[in-house]
Amino acid sequence: SAVISQKPSRDICQRGTSLTIQCQVDSQVTMMFWYRQQPGQSLTLIATANQGSEATYESGFVIDKFPISRPNLTFSTLTVSNMSPEDSSIYLCSARDSGANVLTFGAGSRLTVL
Amino acid sequence: AQSVTQLDSQVPVFEEAPVELRCNYSSSVSVYLFWYVQYPNQGLQLLLKYLSGSTLVESINGFEAEFNKSQTSFHLRKPSVHISDTAEYFCAVSTNAGGTSYGKLTFGQGTILTVHP
Repeated sequence: SAVISQKPSRDICQRGTSLTIQCQVDSQVTMMFWYRQQPGQSLTLIATANQGSEATYESGFVIDKFPISRPNLTFSTLTVSNMSPEDSSIYLCSARDSGANVLTFGAGSRLTVL
Repeated sequence: AQSVTQLDSQVPVFEEAPVELRCNYSSSVSVYLFWYVQYPNQGLQLLLKYLSGSTLVESINGFEAEFNKSQTSFHLRKPSVHISDTAEYFCAVSTNAGGTSYGKLTFGQGTILTVHP
């Protein structure tokens, strides 16, 4: 299965700033997703990162707050914009291999907003 | 749309005892079912999956889960747990139909398994 690298692994940010998280997959994958895991909670899907087109966002998430890029089949970025303490979470990148029915996850990026 | 309910938020158990982590799902279409494990301060790892075929699936470290379509359940079991099994376990479902839900996972709230010596 694909191996996913995320960076940064953790960061502490100031309120009102933005942070971009990078996700690199070691092979070409058909689908990439971004999830959020708030403290003590389960994982919630933010959006599907579409290669060469705009991401598809889930209810409650908008492009202005979480812009996503996916320039090719192995790389994606998620930006958390104008951060507030409520954005403190683990953000996870995941990928689905072509023809497979399993999602592989990166180790996550733990973001703390002060 | 799918939903997943994990009936126990925390399960404490002594080492070498059996354990069952319960998971029920709701879906109007056929599904794939998964258990993921998250060890402290680590990422999410796939533990086992049901895609088709035998309803009983096993992992390499002794866990098993059984897909029960009539009860819409996918409970996780292990006959004898180890200290190293202490982790948070997530049940998840995805649809094997097409459409906008294709490929996405819906997660349960998670069950924290704590194994005591």
